[in-house]
Amino acid sequence: EPEVTQTPSHQVTQMGQEVILRCVPISNHLYFYWYRQILGQKVEFLVSFYNNEISEKSEIFDDQFSVERPDGSNFTLKIRSTKLEDSAMYFCASKGPEQFFGPGTRLTVL
Amino acid sequence: AQTVTQSQPEMSVQEAETVTLSCTYDTSESDYYLFWYKQPPSRQMILVIRQEAYKQQNATENRFSVNFQKAAKSFSLKISDSQLGDAAMYFCAYRNYGGSQGNLIFGKGTKLSVKP
Repeated sequence: EPEVTQTPSHQVTQMGQEVILRCVPISNHLYFYWYRQILGQKVEFLVSFYNNEISEKSEIFDDQFSVERPDGSNFTLKIRSTKLEDSAMYFCASKGPEQFFGPGTRLTVL
Repeated sequence: AQTVTQSQPEMSVQEAETVTLSCTYDTSESDYYLFWYKQPPSRQMILVIRQEAYKQQNATENRFSVNFQKAAKSFSLKISDSQLGDAAMYFCAYRNYGGSQGNLIFGKGTKLSVKP
């Protein structure tokens, strides 16, 4: 069964460093998403991506964040200069008729 | 803006019993989707069940069923014959119908414990 995959499963970084979180969506899906979940809180929408451009983004998705689909299979989330409050689980999702989530990347900013 | 509210931070059920998790939402749209996602300790988000707003019939997936009340904007999840593996966080989610506006809006979740 096709699935969304994410790498790495856990990323530890120092405050101020750049991180790139990677996702491989389901191959025939056209819509891609990033969500984040701070520990103990609800899942929050960050950004949606369609036809090689951002289609919608939330207030959380500020200039420190960027997304791209560099090679037609990977879908990446870059955080330019990480802050302590960026520590969270980051979920990638892709949508055909349904939205399927990847297993998440746990980002820890020290 | 759409909102999703889960008023039960925690629930507990005895194994083999039935439990109902509550969810209400607010929207001005007439067409939309509603979902229940399960998040076990692994933190993977797993789709449990989906309901299209235009369908009057309540969705059912094995032991999981919903009570969708469109006028009341209520979408509760019933788990029958609860199993130990059902223990998890359950999130109710809303999505507008169609197009690229497909991002999910989640409630805060209900932590379900299953007692043996």
